[in-house]
Formats: sequence, C-alpha cells, structure tokens
Amino acid sequence: GESVGLHLPTLSVQEGDNSIINCAYSNSASDYFIWYKQESGKGPQFIIDIRSNMDKRQGQRVTVLLNKTVKHLSLQIAATQPGDSAVYFCAENTGGFKTIFGAGTRLFVKA
Amino acid sequence: DTGVSQDPRHKITKRGQNVTFRCDPISEHNRLYWYRQTLGQGPEFLTYFQNEAQLEKSRLLSDRFSAERPKGSFSTLEIQRTEQGDSAMYLCASSLARTGEKFTGELFFGEGSRLTVL
Repeated sequence: GESVGLHLPTLSVQEGDNSIINCAYSNSASDYFIWYKQESGKGPQFIIDIRSNMDKRQGQRVTVLLNKTVKHLSLQIAATQPGDSAVYFCAENTGGFKTIFGAGTRLFVKA
Repeated sequence: DTGVSQDPRHKITKRGQNVTFRCDPISEHNRLYWYRQTLGQGPEFLTYFQNEAQLEKSRLLSDRFSAERPKGSFSTLEIQRTEQGDSAMYLCASSLARTGEKFTGELFFGEGSRLTVL
C-alpha cells in the first residue's frame, strides 16, 4: 500500500547549524516528492518538490535529496533560523491529484 | 489576503449534531481538496474536486460526510451525526491545473477548521 513515514519525530538543532530531516517512502510508483512546513495553528506551506527523475534539487536555503534505491528523501536546511521551527512533512504524489502526507518531524531551533 | 480561507476556524459541537465547514479557494484555482489532520499526524486525503466535479473520495469519508462545490468556486464539507472520532482539523487546499496537467505541484492550504465533538 501507499505510505510515507519519517525516521525521527523530533529534531533539535542550534541556530545557525544545518538541519537534516529524513523521510522514508514505500510506493515505488510515486513520481513527485514534496516537503511542507506547518507552523502551529496554520495550514501546511509548500517548501520544495522534486521529481523522481532527479536526485537533488536546491531552493533558497533548502536542498532536497532523493535516493530511489533505498526509497529515502531528505530535506536539508542551511543556517537554521528560529523561524524554521515547525513540523515538517514529506509527501508523495503518483503524478495525479492525490498527495499523501507522512506523520511529520518537529524541528526545534535553539537560540 | 487572497489565500485559501476557511470558516469557521473553530467549532465545538455535541455528539450527534451536524456541522458544516466552508472553504473559499484561491479564485483562479480549479482544484480543491479536503484533508483531515489529527494531532501529531500528517494530513489525510478526504476528497478532491476538479471545478465542480467531485472526482475521488477517500475510504475515510463515510456516508456521514458530504462535500460539494456547486459552482466550482467555494466548497462545503458537511458532517452529519458527528461522533467523537470526527474531532480533528479539517484542511482545505487548492491548486491550479493547466489543461492536461495531472500533478500541480504546490497545494495552497487554508488555516483549517478545528472540530471538537463533545
């Protein structure tokens, strides 16, 4: 069946350090992988996505890495800031309309 | 603010009552989604509209749940005979799909409607 999960439920990092949030997926048919950020009391906010024919994509301070061999996805945040504190979800899409979310990782940024 | 708006933001009701949530998507977006999120979990897909057509419903959407998007703009999600297990955040999202496009990338979420069933 389809499932998206996360290795760690919480991650605590020092301000200025880099953060790495990991995610495992099980659906080999997934064509797109997406990272969302959700702050308390708000809806999820898109960060970055990557198509299955890529292994790396960079955005502003964020990099997503995809390893299809082991079905692993990661989000790297450079120079983590207090405003990055949130829950991060990885999600997958099989190229259609349904995006399936994992359970999330809570990122704490220590000042 | 021209983002996705949801109403009400919070709803407390007694078991057995009916509730209705409204979602106003971004005006030019033709796709609208409903998700449900419980504490500590990721959003779970409930249903999806392309314009006014409801194209898929999750198995999570029991007969007590009904969603509509009558004119292809705003949408409503009604829950009849609410149960305590219905307590959750109900999230609406929208996106713009161009002709022939399946995956639209970013979903734009509203801030959700939190339901508490006593």
